[in-house]
Amino acid sequence: DTEVTQTPKHLVMGMTNKKSLKCEQHMGHRAMYWYKQKAKKPPELMFVYSYEKLSINESVPSRFSPECPNSSLLNLHLHALQPEDSALYLCASSQGRQTNYGYTFGSGTRLTVV
Amino acid sequence: GQQLNQSPQSMFIQEGEDVSMNCTSSSIFNTWLWYKQDPGEGPVLLIALYKAGELTSNGRLTAQFGITRKDSFLNISASIPSDVGIYFCAGQLAAGAGKSTFGDGTTLTVKP
Repeated sequence: DTEVTQTPKHLVMGMTNKKSLKCEQHMGHRAMYWYKQKAKKPPELMFVYSYEKLSINESVPSRFSPECPNSSLLNLHLHALQPEDSALYLCASSQGRQTNYGYTFGSGTRLTVV
Repeated sequence: GQQLNQSPQSMFIQEGEDVSMNCTSSSIFNTWLWYKQDPGEGPVLLIALYKAGELTSNGRLTAQFGITRKDSFLNISASIPSDVGIYFCAGQLAAGAGKSTFGDGTTLTVKP
């Protein structure tokens, strides 16, 4: 299995809702990432988990809360989002923080905040 | 923080033509990566480069790691319609290697 699977593919939520994005990989990768991507822009790093521990938080607002329950799963909990948070949210994994073999990205969750 | 300048921003070419795009940085990287992103999908890794001066091919794609370690280029030969998409370069350092810096992307349009 060489894929990163993200669910749901599309999500529409109100500003008072609580929702979660899910990401799963079974490649034995020990680093997992959340990226946010606006249209026609490069991915922007949000969080890095290394060996199930949060290692990088790129000053992301607390309305985004990551969780790594085990080495295969990564969640992003969303609460009280703003319309400007609408974007494509990408999960990625790599072999480990000290390797440079690039990321395997999921297909993303297209989030719309109304 | 580190920034990558990727050019051109967009390209409109005829099917069969060759394409060249590049990335430059004010600081060095130890790894250069090239990704392609199709609409509605995540980026897909095309080529990874690990040594200064390295030239690597993947089918019709060829990429080089600049000898100064501050630049990289990607060539696509004999373009076909499915080459359409956004191409991103990314640089990584050895320390904190999990974090990639992405260029702004080159949008490629191929006319049949």
